[in-house]
Amino acid sequence: GAVVSQHPSWVICKSGTSVKIECRSLDFQATTMFWYRQFPKQSLMLMATSNEGSKATYEQGVEKDKFLINHASLTLSTLTVTSAHPEDSSFYICSAATGGGLLNEQFFGPGTRLTVL
Amino acid sequence: GQQLNQSPQSMFIQEGEDVSMNCTSSSIFNTWLWYKQDPGEGPVLLIALYKAGELTSNGRLTAQFGITRKDSFLNISASIPSDVGIYFCAGQLGRSGGSNYKLTFGKGTLLTVNP
Repeated sequence: GAVVSQHPSWVICKSGTSVKIECRSLDFQATTMFWYRQFPKQSLMLMATSNEGSKATYEQGVEKDKFLINHASLTLSTLTVTSAHPEDSSFYICSAATGGGLLNEQFFGPGTRLTVL
Repeated sequence: GQQLNQSPQSMFIQEGEDVSMNCTSSSIFNTWLWYKQDPGEGPVLLIALYKAGELTSNGRLTAQFGITRKDSFLNISASIPSDVGIYFCAGQLGRSGGSNYKLTFGKGTLLTVNP
Protein backbone atom coordinates (compact mmCIF):
# COMPACT_ATOMS: atom_id res chain seq x y z
CA GLY A 1 0.00 0.00 0.00
CA ALA A 2 0.83 3.73 0.06
CA VAL A 3 2.06 3.95 -3.51
CA VAL A 4 2.63 7.29 -5.20
CA SER A 5 3.17 7.55 -8.93
CA GLN A 6 4.43 10.39 -11.09
CA HIS A 7 3.97 10.97 -14.77
CA PRO A 8 5.96 11.42 -16.85
CA SER A 9 9.11 9.87 -15.42
CA TRP A 10 11.20 12.09 -17.66
CA VAL A 11 10.52 14.90 -20.10
CA ILE A 12 12.60 16.97 -22.47
CA CYS A 13 11.19 20.24 -23.71
CA LYS A 14 12.21 23.38 -25.53
CA SER A 15 12.83 26.60 -23.70
CA GLY A 16 9.66 28.66 -23.38
CA THR A 17 7.23 25.78 -23.35
CA SER A 18 5.16 24.59 -20.40
CA VAL A 19 5.37 21.17 -18.84
CA LYS A 20 2.82 19.45 -16.62
CA ILE A 21 3.81 16.78 -14.10
CA GLU A 22 1.22 14.60 -12.40
CA CYS A 23 1.42 13.09 -8.95
CA ARG A 24 -1.08 10.41 -7.97
CA SER A 25 -1.69 8.51 -4.77
CA LEU A 26 -2.77 5.10 -6.03
CA ASP A 27 -4.21 3.38 -3.00
CA PHE A 28 -4.95 6.09 -0.49
CA GLN A 29 -6.42 9.54 -0.28
CA ALA A 30 -3.91 12.32 0.16
CA THR A 31 -5.18 15.44 1.86
CA THR A 32 -1.80 17.08 1.44
CA MET A 33 0.77 16.75 -1.30
CA PHE A 34 4.23 18.25 -1.43
CA TRP A 35 6.42 19.17 -4.37
CA TYR A 36 10.20 19.06 -4.09
CA ARG A 37 13.00 19.94 -6.45
CA GLN A 38 16.36 18.23 -6.38
CA PHE A 39 19.38 19.46 -8.33
CA PRO A 40 22.24 17.02 -9.06
CA LYS A 41 24.11 15.90 -5.96
CA GLN A 42 21.95 18.07 -3.74
CA SER A 43 19.21 17.52 -1.24
CA LEU A 44 15.47 17.77 -1.71
CA MET A 45 14.18 21.30 -1.41
CA LEU A 46 10.51 21.84 -0.71
CA MET A 47 8.83 24.02 -3.31
CA ALA A 48 5.23 24.06 -2.18
CA THR A 49 2.57 22.37 -0.13
CA SER A 50 -0.84 21.72 -1.64
CA ASN A 51 -4.03 20.79 0.09
CA GLU A 52 -6.98 19.38 -1.80
CA GLY A 53 -9.38 22.09 -2.83
CA SER A 54 -7.30 25.04 -1.71
CA LYS A 55 -4.45 27.15 -3.00
CA ALA A 56 -0.93 25.86 -2.63
CA THR A 57 1.47 27.37 -0.13
CA TYR A 58 4.80 28.20 -1.74
CA GLU A 59 8.17 28.29 -0.04
CA GLN A 60 10.13 31.49 0.00
CA GLY A 61 11.85 32.12 -3.31
CA VAL A 62 9.57 29.86 -5.36
CA GLU A 63 7.58 31.75 -7.99
CA LYS A 64 3.95 30.74 -7.76
CA ASP A 65 3.18 32.08 -11.23
CA LYS A 66 5.92 29.97 -12.73
CA PHE A 67 5.20 26.76 -10.86
CA LEU A 68 1.46 26.28 -10.97
CA ILE A 69 0.08 23.67 -8.62
CA ASN A 70 -3.39 22.20 -8.77
CA HIS A 71 -4.68 19.69 -6.22
CA ALA A 72 -8.07 18.97 -7.71
CA SER A 73 -8.80 15.70 -5.97
CA LEU A 74 -7.63 13.62 -3.04
CA THR A 75 -5.55 11.44 -5.35
CA LEU A 76 -4.10 13.89 -7.87
CA SER A 77 -1.89 16.95 -7.77
CA THR A 78 -0.27 18.55 -10.79
CA LEU A 79 2.74 20.81 -11.11
CA THR A 80 3.00 22.91 -14.26
CA VAL A 81 6.32 24.54 -15.04
CA THR A 82 5.38 27.50 -17.21
CA SER A 83 7.70 29.04 -19.75
CA ALA A 84 10.43 26.61 -18.80
CA HIS A 85 14.07 27.63 -19.09
CA PRO A 86 17.27 25.59 -18.87
CA GLU A 87 17.75 26.58 -15.23
CA ASP A 88 14.46 24.81 -14.45
CA SER A 89 16.04 21.51 -15.45
CA SER A 90 15.91 19.38 -12.33
CA PHE A 91 14.48 16.29 -10.68
CA TYR A 92 10.97 17.03 -9.41
CA ILE A 93 9.61 14.75 -6.70
CA CYS A 94 6.19 14.77 -5.10
CA SER A 95 5.06 13.24 -1.85
CA ALA A 96 1.62 12.55 -0.48
CA ALA A 97 0.42 12.55 3.10
CA THR A 98 -2.76 11.06 4.45
CA GLY A 99 -3.16 13.74 7.08
CA GLY A 100 -4.87 13.54 10.42
CA GLY A 101 -3.91 11.53 13.48
CA LEU A 102 -0.66 11.73 15.36
CA LEU A 103 1.60 9.83 13.03
CA ASN A 104 1.80 11.48 9.66
CA GLU A 105 3.91 9.99 6.93
CA GLN A 106 4.81 11.28 3.51
CA PHE A 107 5.05 8.77 0.70
CA PHE A 108 7.30 9.81 -2.13
CA GLY A 109 6.83 9.37 -5.83
CA PRO A 110 9.62 8.11 -8.12
CA GLY A 111 10.39 11.58 -9.44
CA THR A 112 10.28 13.30 -12.84
CA ARG A 113 13.46 14.31 -14.62
CA LEU A 114 12.90 17.58 -16.50
CA THR A 115 15.42 18.72 -19.08
CA VAL A 116 14.87 22.06 -20.75
CA LEU A 117 16.87 22.63 -23.92
CA GLY B 1 15.18 26.88 2.90
CA GLN B 2 16.47 25.54 6.18
CA GLN B 3 18.64 22.43 6.06
CA LEU B 4 19.99 20.02 8.58
CA ASN B 5 23.70 19.38 9.07
CA GLN B 6 24.32 15.83 7.96
CA SER B 7 27.68 14.08 8.14
CA PRO B 8 29.66 12.62 6.68
CA GLN B 9 29.00 13.80 3.12
CA SER B 10 30.33 10.54 1.72
CA MET B 11 31.69 7.23 2.88
CA PHE B 12 33.68 4.50 1.16
CA ILE B 13 33.63 1.24 3.06
CA GLN B 14 34.30 -2.43 2.58
CA GLU B 15 31.50 -4.94 2.51
CA GLY B 16 30.81 -6.21 6.01
CA GLU B 17 31.80 -3.03 7.77
CA ASP B 18 29.46 -1.00 9.97
CA VAL B 19 28.45 2.53 9.02
CA SER B 20 27.32 5.47 11.10
CA MET B 21 25.96 8.82 9.99
CA ASN B 22 24.28 11.62 11.88
CA CYS B 23 22.26 14.79 11.61
CA THR B 24 22.13 17.84 13.79
CA SER B 25 19.82 20.81 13.81
CA SER B 26 19.74 24.18 15.49
CA SER B 27 16.01 23.75 16.08
CA ILE B 28 13.86 21.06 17.63
CA PHE B 29 12.03 18.47 15.61
CA ASN B 30 9.31 16.20 16.91
CA THR B 31 9.87 13.54 14.30
CA TRP B 32 13.09 12.34 12.71
CA LEU B 33 13.12 10.25 9.56
CA TRP B 34 15.80 8.47 7.60
CA TYR B 35 15.45 7.87 3.86
CA LYS B 36 17.50 6.10 1.19
CA GLN B 37 17.52 7.34 -2.38
CA ASP B 38 18.79 5.35 -5.33
CA PRO B 39 19.84 7.19 -8.51
CA GLY B 40 16.86 8.47 -10.48
CA GLU B 41 14.38 7.39 -7.83
CA GLY B 42 12.40 9.04 -5.07
CA PRO B 43 13.45 8.60 -1.45
CA VAL B 44 12.27 5.51 0.41
CA LEU B 45 11.58 5.66 4.13
CA LEU B 46 13.89 3.48 6.22
CA ILE B 47 13.12 4.40 9.80
CA ALA B 48 10.81 6.90 11.51
CA LEU B 49 11.43 8.13 15.06
CA TYR B 50 8.68 9.82 17.05
CA LYS B 51 9.95 10.19 20.61
CA ALA B 52 13.05 11.80 22.08
CA GLY B 53 15.49 9.08 23.11
CA GLU B 54 13.79 6.47 20.96
CA LEU B 55 16.01 3.76 19.52
CA THR B 56 14.50 1.87 16.60
CA SER B 57 15.79 -0.96 14.44
CA ASN B 58 14.82 -2.15 11.00
CA GLY B 59 16.88 -5.20 10.11
CA ARG B 60 20.51 -4.12 9.94
CA LEU B 61 19.53 -0.49 10.42
CA THR B 62 19.34 1.24 13.79
CA ALA B 63 18.43 4.85 14.36
CA GLN B 64 18.09 7.01 17.44
CA PHE B 65 16.18 10.20 18.18
CA GLY B 66 18.44 12.44 20.27
CA ILE B 67 17.34 13.46 23.75
CA THR B 68 17.61 17.14 22.87
CA ARG B 69 15.38 16.57 19.78
CA LYS B 70 18.05 18.33 17.75
CA ASP B 71 19.90 15.30 16.45
CA SER B 72 19.63 11.76 15.19
CA PHE B 73 21.95 9.04 13.99
CA LEU B 74 21.65 6.06 11.69
CA ASN B 75 23.79 2.94 11.92
CA ILE B 76 24.04 0.24 9.29
CA SER B 77 25.64 -2.99 10.42
CA ALA B 78 27.40 -5.55 8.25
CA SER B 79 27.06 -3.51 5.06
CA ILE B 80 26.32 -5.21 1.75
CA PRO B 81 26.72 -3.91 -1.81
CA SER B 82 23.01 -3.08 -2.14
CA ASP B 83 23.36 -0.58 0.70
CA VAL B 84 24.94 1.76 -1.86
CA GLY B 85 22.97 4.96 -2.26
CA ILE B 86 22.34 8.35 -0.74
CA TYR B 87 20.96 8.47 2.78
CA PHE B 88 19.00 11.51 3.91
CA CYS B 89 17.83 12.50 7.33
CA ALA B 90 14.72 14.62 7.63
CA GLY B 91 13.10 16.46 10.48
CA GLN B 92 9.43 17.16 10.88
CA LEU B 93 8.22 19.78 13.30
CA GLY B 94 4.84 18.47 14.29
CA ARG B 95 1.93 16.20 13.60
CA SER B 96 -1.01 18.53 13.69
CA GLY B 97 -1.25 19.40 10.07
CA GLY B 98 -0.62 22.43 7.92
CA SER B 99 2.99 23.55 7.76
CA ASN B 100 3.88 21.15 10.56
CA TYR B 101 3.91 18.37 8.00
CA LYS B 102 6.83 19.96 6.17
CA LEU B 103 10.02 17.96 6.04
CA THR B 104 13.43 19.56 6.30
CA PHE B 105 16.09 17.40 4.68
CA GLY B 106 19.77 16.98 5.39
CA LYS B 107 22.25 17.26 2.53
CA GLY B 108 22.69 13.52 2.31
CA THR B 109 25.42 10.94 2.85
CA LEU B 110 26.66 9.10 -0.24
CA LEU B 111 27.54 5.54 0.71
CA THR B 112 29.75 3.36 -1.45
CA VAL B 113 30.32 -0.24 -0.49
CA ASN B 114 33.22 -2.09 -2.04
CA PRO B 115 32.54 -5.81 -2.40
